Amino acid sequence: SQQGEEDPQALSIQEGENATMNCSYKTSINNLQWYRQNSGRGLVHLILIRSNEREKHSGRLRVTLDTSKKSSSLLITASRAADTASYFCATIWDQGGKLIFGQGTELSVKP
Amino acid sequence: DTAVSQTPKYLVTQMGNDKSIKCEQNLGHDTMYWYKQDSKKFLKIMFSYNNKELIINETVPNRFSPKSPDKAHLNLHINSLELGDSAVYFCASSPWGTTNEQFFGPGTRLTVL
Repeated sequence: SQQGEEDPQALSIQEGENATMNCSYKTSINNLQWYRQNSGRGLVHLILIRSNEREKHSGRLRVTLDTSKKSSSLLITASRAADTASYFCATIWDQGGKLIFGQGTELSVKP
Repeated sequence: DTAVSQTPKYLVTQMGNDKSIKCEQNLGHDTMYWYKQDSKKFLKIMFSYNNKELIINETVPNRFSPKSPDKAHLNLHINSLELGDSAVYFCASSPWGTTNEQFFGPGTRLTVL
């Protein structure tokens, strides 16, 4: 299967703590994207990191990419209850737009 | 001003029936997709269309037939529904090209009884 893996599968933290999620993938990539899915809703794009980039920031989000290890991490700093959601990494290689998703991490942030 | 919309949101039907899910985007994107999310939340692409032309067909049973009447619409028709078709189906769109984020619809939860 081309599907990537994420760990942990589930993460429970207190508000204000940082949350780190890891993603590993199997194929060459053009870029890697992170998406959030709130319960019962569609996916929302969070951040995109290209294969020639090592780190990217967006607000409270920090993404790293290590193409030699085929892995990425998403750090959410100073988490809030509203960050409770499932987080997916997804890789893309060619112009067809085929996103290959990881299994997702379920994050629960307790107030 | 919904960007990507899908109808219906919920669909409950009997095995063997034929059903359709509709998707529309008002973002002016060239490319549209169908994804399937199973009960374990695995997301897998099924099809993509670029400007009404089929680009990706991911070994989906031919009971599933996408149709794109214009680049703003991509519908999914499913014949002879089976229990294993129960899932959430997401439509998405993006500009053409690899560097683009995809915009997802709210999903259609299909339950086959």
